[in-house]
Amino acid sequence: AQSVTQPDIHITVSEGASLELRCNYSYGATPYLFWYVQSPGQGLQLLLKYFSGDTLVQGIKGFEAEFKRSQSSFNLRKPSVHWSDAAEYFCAVGAPGGYNKLIFGAGTRLAVHP
Amino acid sequence: GAVVSQHPSRVICKSGTSVKIECRSLDFQATTMFWYRQFPKQSLMLMATSNEGSKATYEQGVEKDKFLINHASLTLSTLTVTSAHPEDSSFYICSAREYRGLGETQYFGPGTRLLVL
Repeated sequence: AQSVTQPDIHITVSEGASLELRCNYSYGATPYLFWYVQSPGQGLQLLLKYFSGDTLVQGIKGFEAEFKRSQSSFNLRKPSVHWSDAAEYFCAVGAPGGYNKLIFGAGTRLAVHP
Repeated sequence: GAVVSQHPSRVICKSGTSVKIECRSLDFQATTMFWYRQFPKQSLMLMATSNEGSKATYEQGVEKDKFLINHASLTLSTLTVTSAHPEDSSFYICSAREYRGLGETQYFGPGTRLLVL
């Protein structure tokens, strides 16, 4: 069965520091991979997605993620965090080849110190 | 990008009443929409998958008669919480699936916070 693990429940970084949020998945083949961000009381906004091709994916707001098949990982990175990046981040996987549900990780809550 | 709206954004109702939540895809057609429930500081829990013109598919443990879903058009799905009780208080989020190019993406609405008194 598909599953997604976000090992870090809560991360705190200083503004301007680099960021890496971890995501590991369990799936028999290469899934579709997504990162979403949720601000308090809001819905989810898509940051980036990976379907195939270049394993380094660029997203909005200066985020990028790298798909590593050998490690079953899809970690999210940002070189310099801004205070407005404080939010909840969800990694999700979906099976390719037609409709399928998204399986979400538990989320990582990011706090940014000034 | 694709935009999904939800209405209302917040609703307070008395126990025993029914509440309808609308989910609309504003600039694309969505043959499939999804309804999620999110408890405080937790991840999203898929409740059901809504396909235009057919019955919704509910996840295990979700009461079909409690959470009525209708997907009457390619841009609108509704979730009705019938005879709501305080334990139904939650944050409900919908998403709409779009096919574009190689793969499919779910775009999420802003959510509806339901409080049942």
